Amino acid sequence: DSGVTQTPKHLITATGQRVTLRCSPRSGDLSVYWYQQSLDQGLQFLIQYYNGEERAKGNILERFSAQQFPDLHSELNLSSLELGDSALYFCASSLGRDQPQHFGDGTRLSIL
Amino acid sequence: GEDVEQSLFLSVREGDSSVINCTYTDSSSTYLYWYKQEPGAGLQLLTYIFSNMDMKQDQRLTVLLNKKDKHLSLRIADTQTGDSAIYFCAERLSYNQGGKLIFGQGTELSVKP
Repeated sequence: DSGVTQTPKHLITATGQRVTLRCSPRSGDLSVYWYQQSLDQGLQFLIQYYNGEERAKGNILERFSAQQFPDLHSELNLSSLELGDSALYFCASSLGRDQPQHFGDGTRLSIL
Repeated sequence: GEDVEQSLFLSVREGDSSVINCTYTDSSSTYLYWYKQEPGAGLQLLTYIFSNMDMKQDQRLTVLLNKKDKHLSLRIADTQTGDSAIYFCAERLSYNQGGKLIFGQGTELSVKP
């Protein structure tokens, strides 16, 4: 158990819809990272937050947004969903910038 | 550019050693990681090595880093069927580059009894 909690584990929805994925980092970790894992793209970094502030952006679509709240949990919002958004979305957390990232079990998003 | 390459498959017999190789391109990487992913599960951090180290040993796991050739390897001694999984190599970029992880495609390790 990594200590990173992601909910829900599975999400099935339709094209055009909007969903919110939630992540609770390990106790004490200030950094939260979001990654997308798909068959064609592999594991891709989306975005990072540190203590509530956005720190780095990767290959995140404009239809996607995220935030980190004062209690350090984070949410990834995906809107106007397309079939290609079907993937496993991981959250990871670390104590600081030079500390290892620990991953949650992911949210599997299926778009029908 | 940022790129991490791994071979896709490795098959070994139970009790043998497994060696999974990885090459990376970014010379400013600070840390290099190995993660394990079992079917339907998340990424489990196995071990990591700081970029100025050559070797790190942790029980059955040995990580070797050749910084000149940008080559990283993970050796698993006495491989067991429970080690069957996908192994990801990842380089951590410098803080100025966002500190993000760049992952390889993953190596699927199959351990035959």
